[in-house]
Amino acid sequence: DAKTTQPPSMDCAEGRAANLPCNHSTISGNEYVYWYRQIHSQGPQYIIHGLKNNETNEMASLIITEDRKSSTLILPHATLRDTAVYYCIVRVAGNNNDMRFGAGTRLTVKP
Amino acid sequence: DAGITQSPRHKVTETGTPVTLRCHQTENHRYMYWYRQDPGHGLRLIHYSYGVKDTDKGEVSDGYSVSRSKTEDFLLTLESATSSQTSVYFCAINDGEGTYSGYTFGSGTRLTVV
Repeated sequence: DAKTTQPPSMDCAEGRAANLPCNHSTISGNEYVYWYRQIHSQGPQYIIHGLKNNETNEMASLIITEDRKSSTLILPHATLRDTAVYYCIVRVAGNNNDMRFGAGTRLTVKP
Repeated sequence: DAGITQSPRHKVTETGTPVTLRCHQTENHRYMYWYRQDPGHGLRLIHYSYGVKDTDKGEVSDGYSVSRSKTEDFLLTLESATSSQTSVYFCAINDGEGTYSGYTFGSGTRLTVV
């Protein structure tokens, strides 16, 4: 699976959009981009995933560049409860033997 | 988390004693995983299972064994606990179907080996 690079930490004001970047310049054509988050002391929580098209669900939007070498997770109206570590992972869908978590980005939403 | 429970939630044990952690799911998912999480290392895969009695090693499997005799239960055993195995252990499940293949995690077991 390709590796990802994320900033170690970011701040965001409550009510504003949080834009979390992820670089995955070595991504292969059959690899999906997955985002998870981990709120303090809890297990990671799935947020969203995509292959090449932009995706949106009730939690977030995922914007993938046309060359697929980077992506951005957008939390449109961040709340204090969105404070967490966010993980960007690329892997082949159907490769069920592993989901490798890096260090992620620690997002702090401030009042 | 709905559909997946870990027990115990907290445990303190002495060095050299055996310890078994249990992961139970009600989703009938094929895949189950054990991760450990330590400061500075993130989540690391210990073992996983792709069916009853079908298991394989992850990246940090030394000192751990697993068993899966039923679809719903995945047990992680530390045969002789060491202080280096003090960690938070997370179980995860995955149905392995389609492109989603996302994982659902349990709430974790905090293990302290003294």
